[in-house]
Amino acid sequence: KQEVTQIPAALSVPEGENLVLNCSFTDSAIYNLQWFRQDPGKGLTSLLLIQSSQREQTSGRLNASLDKSSGRSTLYIAASQPGDSATYLCAVSLPLTQGGSEKLVFGKGTKLTVNP
Amino acid sequence: NAGVTQTPKFRVLKTGQSMTLLCAQDMNHEYMYWYRQDPGMGLRLIHYSVGEGTTAKGEVPDGYNVSRLKKQNFLLGLESAAPSQTSVYFCASSYWPFGVQPLKAEQFFGPGTRLTVL
Repeated sequence: KQEVTQIPAALSVPEGENLVLNCSFTDSAIYNLQWFRQDPGKGLTSLLLIQSSQREQTSGRLNASLDKSSGRSTLYIAASQPGDSATYLCAVSLPLTQGGSEKLVFGKGTKLTVNP
Repeated sequence: NAGVTQTPKFRVLKTGQSMTLLCAQDMNHEYMYWYRQDPGMGLRLIHYSVGEGTTAKGEVPDGYNVSRLKKQNFLLGLESAAPSQTSVYFCASSYWPFGVQPLKAEQFFGPGTRLTVL
């Protein structure tokens, strides 16, 4: 059974610091890996999606890497800002049995606080 | 575009009552999903649909039923609510499954429904 682990569970940093969030998964037979952001009381916002054949994806100050063979992904946030405060979720995609669709298996998230 | 919307936002039920959660998307997506999010458990897939008129079970389907009579709507029903179903429920949709057309593969999530069963 696929398990996704995120470390640390919580992180507090001063504004301007560069930081790394970690995600690991037990079964390397994934299709893709996706990083989400969740604000309190809100839904999930997709940040980056990395296909299994890719090594990394970048969007603005965010960079996500994927090492499928070792079952690891990292989300790098450069020059952090108070507005980055949120819970970050990692999810890997696995095949569903019907219709060629795929499901996401989520980690429990890392709660990030960026202090002004 | 409203994206993915969910109704209601909050609900309190007594054990044994029934209710239906509505998810609507205006992006013409084929695939729709229902998840529940519990503290310390992460998000788990309840049911999903790969198109109008189709539904299938996810990881934790017991106690729930779903219907997809129209492409834009995905309903989640609780026939006899139990305290174990207290959770935050999220609906999501996607145009394509992952791995087919990656630029369109991401799942879009609704704002969630917070359900408490007493």
